[in-house]
Amino acid sequence: NAGVTQTPKFQVLKTGQSMTLQCAQDMNHEYMSWYRQDPGMGLRLIHYSVGAGITDQGEVPNGYNVSRSTTEDFPLRLLSAAPSQTSVYFCASSSLQGRTDYGYTFGSGTRLTVV
Amino acid sequence: GNSVTQMEGPVTLSEEAFLTINCTYTATGYPSLFWYVQYPGEGLQLLLKATKADDKGSNKGFEATYRKETTSFHLEKGSVQVSDSAVYFCALSDQGAGSYQLTFGKGTKLSVIP
Repeated sequence: NAGVTQTPKFQVLKTGQSMTLQCAQDMNHEYMSWYRQDPGMGLRLIHYSVGAGITDQGEVPNGYNVSRSTTEDFPLRLLSAAPSQTSVYFCASSSLQGRTDYGYTFGSGTRLTVV
Repeated sequence: GNSVTQMEGPVTLSEEAFLTINCTYTATGYPSLFWYVQYPGEGLQLLLKATKADDKGSNKGFEATYRKETTSFHLEKGSVQVSDSAVYFCALSDQGAGSYQLTFGKGTKLSVIP
């Protein structure tokens, strides 16, 4: 099925460990982004990309890295996990022209716990 | 900058009750407005949208009208069902060139009891 695929769905890390959250879309969307969702905070933008080779920071980028080598994939890297990064992470994509007409397509999320 | 303010939850309603979730926004340009719904354990799904003033978005019995004069986009449904229990997010997307970020409200949790 077309859409945004996130892996893994659940992950437990120890403080200081690194990991990569995967995000892939098969809709040929130029725009991809990562959000984190925390209780009472809504969704906050971490990083985004408007095309292969182009990335930019969002509202809460510290502690996270991204790259965009292909249109389809937009991985999020945690270099040294901290308990403050315990959250639910969502990847979202959109076509640049259609973003205001059709909105954004979200993945099902990755629930990350850092102990 | 852009911002979205939603009414605080949680909201608990009986089945067939009328629902209103208030949403107001602040934007520097002319945004598109969205309501997203998140069912337990799932990602966000687009519920409805409006791209210009006085547009009415509707889907699954839900409606919201883009009111530029009051900078509002309130979500309404005439008769809620248990299956409507979810978290609802109001969001805006600036239509200006180079603007891609979705700005979200904090979400309103709705529980519908039989």
